[in-house]
Amino acid sequence: DQQVKQNSPSLSVQEGRISILNCDYTNSMFDYFLWYKKYPAEGPTFLISISSIKDKNEDGRFTVFLNKSAKHLSLHIVPSQPGDSAVYFCAASQGGSQGNLIFGKGTKLSVKP
Amino acid sequence: GAVVSQHPSWVICKSGTSVKIECRSLDFQATTMFWYRQFPKQSLMLMATSNEGSKATYEQGVEKDKFLINHASLTLSTLTVTSAHPEDSSFYICSRKLAGFTDTQYFGPGTRLTVL
Repeated sequence: DQQVKQNSPSLSVQEGRISILNCDYTNSMFDYFLWYKKYPAEGPTFLISISSIKDKNEDGRFTVFLNKSAKHLSLHIVPSQPGDSAVYFCAASQGGSQGNLIFGKGTKLSVKP
Repeated sequence: GAVVSQHPSWVICKSGTSVKIECRSLDFQATTMFWYRQFPKQSLMLMATSNEGSKATYEQGVEKDKFLINHASLTLSTLTVTSAHPEDSSFYICSRKLAGFTDTQYFGPGTRLTVL
């Protein structure tokens, strides 16, 4: 059973517009959430994270929103740039563990010029 | 800059041979490192947690004798795929945690293994 779900395998956005990537989770014990960006044949690159005590975290063009009651988080990229085209993975972890990350299947974002 | 390196970046081997993949923490001593595997169009799956000076902790379903992990120093963890078979062909990625107590992990560039 997937504990972290990214239901949209792909997303296409026009350059300059907002990209919204969604992620749902089922384990209410998760208390730390992360977004990673991944290019083909490369390791994931950490983008932004959020603790469960917050509902929003912003870093430049990237903002992550967390809705604990809905067990949902989203990554907003604004404005989107062609260089943002990649696969975005949502990940979650449970406090007190060794820090194991549970990943979603990823969403492939294409930003068109 | 990169904080985790992996070597080799890609390897092709014959079925039945063993392949060793190195993962190095470049800027920080890491008592714990992680090994993940990603099949095409799938999520990253944690295989094992590598612990410096002690045995690795394997996830359920991962064969310990198949995937040997050695964390002999604070900056190096190795994953050896023994008697590799075509179904072991995958993208193997290691990571270490950010310094401190957060769960943020930094990943290496990955190693593409193709077993013929």
